[in-house]
Amino acid sequence: DAGVIQSPRHEVTEMGQEVTLRCKPISGHDYLFWYRQTMMRGLELLIYFNNNVPIDDSGMPEDRFSAKMPNASFSTLKIQPSEPRDSAVYFCASSLAGGFSSYNEQFFGPGTRLTVL
Amino acid sequence: GENVEQHPSTLSVQEGDSAVIKCTYSDSASNYFPWYKQELGKRPQLIIDIRSNVGEKKDQRIAVTLNKTAKHFSLHITETQPEDSAVYFCAASIIQLIFGTGTRLQVFP
Repeated sequence: DAGVIQSPRHEVTEMGQEVTLRCKPISGHDYLFWYRQTMMRGLELLIYFNNNVPIDDSGMPEDRFSAKMPNASFSTLKIQPSEPRDSAVYFCASSLAGGFSSYNEQFFGPGTRLTVL
Repeated sequence: GENVEQHPSTLSVQEGDSAVIKCTYSDSASNYFPWYKQELGKRPQLIIDIRSNVGEKKDQRIAVTLNKTAKHFSLHITETQPEDSAVYFCAASIIQLIFGTGTRLQVFP
């Protein structure tokens, strides 16, 4: 397996533009997570899905952010309109279902470095 | 919700010395405690994890200890090498991972 795949790897856009980040989880994984990493705030969980259903989106910073998972092999994180403070590295991660008492390793994708000018 | 604190934020050691990074968590229901290593420009990668029914786990030069009563856990790296230089993150979890703020470890030859 190629691991978690993210695209694009780098994105430079202008303020006000729509940005779409893409993620393909590891085949067979039931959970998918979106994180944002900045120097100031560290690694923040934005949202996670279980079996394609959003479970907790309390980390999504504003209504400008939205995430979807139309099927088990694809998820998107969209920012519309983008702002300079959205500049960060966005990671997608996936894991197997482990049940309440048995959590499993999250595998991270390579990340998308977003710069909003 | 869960809150994870991590100390120190930076740590410099001489090659061959030991390094210890400590984390505390707030939610007693957390039952999974992984440690991730992130090299510059790379993704976080799991190096070791421990579950709440275990007090200590070791894998070659790295070990993790967990004190559930005190709600803290620690990463120990022995015989450090320059390639251990990276940012290390602890996390606590019931379902989703809540990360600490990271420790930048520098190992000087």
